[in-house]
Amino acid sequence: SQTIHQWPATLVQPVGSPLSLECTVEGTSNPNLYWYRQAAGRGLQLLFYSVGIGQISSEVPQNLSASRPQDRQFILSSKKLLLSDSGFYLCAWNLQGPDTQYFGPGTRLTVL
Amino acid sequence: EDKVVQSPLSLVVHEGDTVTLNCSYEVTNFRSLLWYKQEKKAPTFLFMLTSSGIEKKSGRLSSILDKKELFSILNITATQTGDSAVYLCAVEQYGQGNLIFGKGTKLSVKP
Repeated sequence: SQTIHQWPATLVQPVGSPLSLECTVEGTSNPNLYWYRQAAGRGLQLLFYSVGIGQISSEVPQNLSASRPQDRQFILSSKKLLLSDSGFYLCAWNLQGPDTQYFGPGTRLTVL
Repeated sequence: EDKVVQSPLSLVVHEGDTVTLNCSYEVTNFRSLLWYKQEKKAPTFLFMLTSSGIEKKSGRLSSILDKKELFSILNITATQTGDSAVYLCAVEQYGQGNLIFGKGTKLSVKP
């Protein structure tokens, strides 16, 4: 069966520091991968999605970037964090859009 | 273990039918329950429920939460083909503010 992991679960970082959040999927091949940020207990904002290794589409221009160095690995990064980057970040996968996406456990990022 | 269970997993109806989607949960530090509609890349927000027994309504969609029995339902009346989508339920926790998602209900509305 397929599983999705996110690391770390919680992170507290100072303003201006770098960021690296990791998402890995097991039990499937060539998944579509997604990074979301949850805003204020309501909507999910799609940040990046990827249909294959090295293929990244950015939905919202901002202080973050994403990379897909391996088929089942998706990384969200920043060179210098801002206070506004605080939030709950979710990774998701599916095999074909718009099929159901399966969400990881998320990472709670606090920037101080 | 915290979990959110949606039922049914898939559903096929005809236009004009009324459907009820179910979401039950066993989650510590419950804060709110959210419903999303997923059609394309990203889910779109429908409702956030925090109190039992208070129905939230938006057009033909409505939802209610029962915090005693730990479930929520999403009703769609007079369904249209545009309602075809995957409907996701998620529970938000206090503290870390984590979101725990169900696996979704895939609704197909036939003309």
